[in-house]
Amino acid sequence: GAGVSQSPSNKVTEKGKDVELRCDPISGHTALYWYRQSLGQGLEFLIYFQGNSAPDKSGLPSDRFSAERTGGSVSTLTIQRTQQEDSAVYLCASSLAGTGLSQETQYFGPGTRLLVL
Amino acid sequence: ELKVEQNPLFLSMQEGKNYTIYCNYSTTSDRLYWYRQDPGKSLESLFVLLSNGAVKQEGRLMASLDTKARLSTLHITAAVHDLSATYFCAVDSFYWTGGGADGLTFGKGTHLIIQP
Repeated sequence: GAGVSQSPSNKVTEKGKDVELRCDPISGHTALYWYRQSLGQGLEFLIYFQGNSAPDKSGLPSDRFSAERTGGSVSTLTIQRTQQEDSAVYLCASSLAGTGLSQETQYFGPGTRLLVL
Repeated sequence: ELKVEQNPLFLSMQEGKNYTIYCNYSTTSDRLYWYRQDPGKSLESLFVLLSNGAVKQEGRLMASLDTKARLSTLHITAAVHDLSATYFCAVDSFYWTGGGADGLTFGKGTHLIIQP
């Protein structure tokens, strides 16, 4: 079946611009995660959605980052006033369930490669 | 802060050899994940280890988990070139955060090159 999809696959923007990254999880998966992968910081957890519940924002690096999930499915990660240090690959993952009792693997999308000039 | 340390970070080996990648983590967790990443690609799930003493094998890869030692290993048997990739271990942060988050904390990855 279809995996996690993300768009755009690549994004080049100028410093100070806003960007929106989209994630479409695997159908039926209630949990959705955003991660960031960069050379300097490795793989970092950003934010987690469980169904329609309010997200856990503990991993967001600054208040310029926000995310929403509409209808418990598609998610958008927005970065306002982008900075050069925001350049990274943004990965989305989904799993069947995201509770602490779950044993579910997180399946990752192909990522969005963001370059801030 | 939950920390996950892998070693080695870089490994070059010849086909046919055996080797082990180690993953140490700093706090209680009984769920550990191994992922593979090819250059320019996303993460592919390899193993999910859910309990102390868990061992899983797929082809030439075998992963194990010792929760008391907070250690997981990924063993490569008779390596072949196709196994060249970066391997990540990751630990579920659920226990560390008291159930407040379900994100994974990743190690820095082991960049594995297998030469013919």
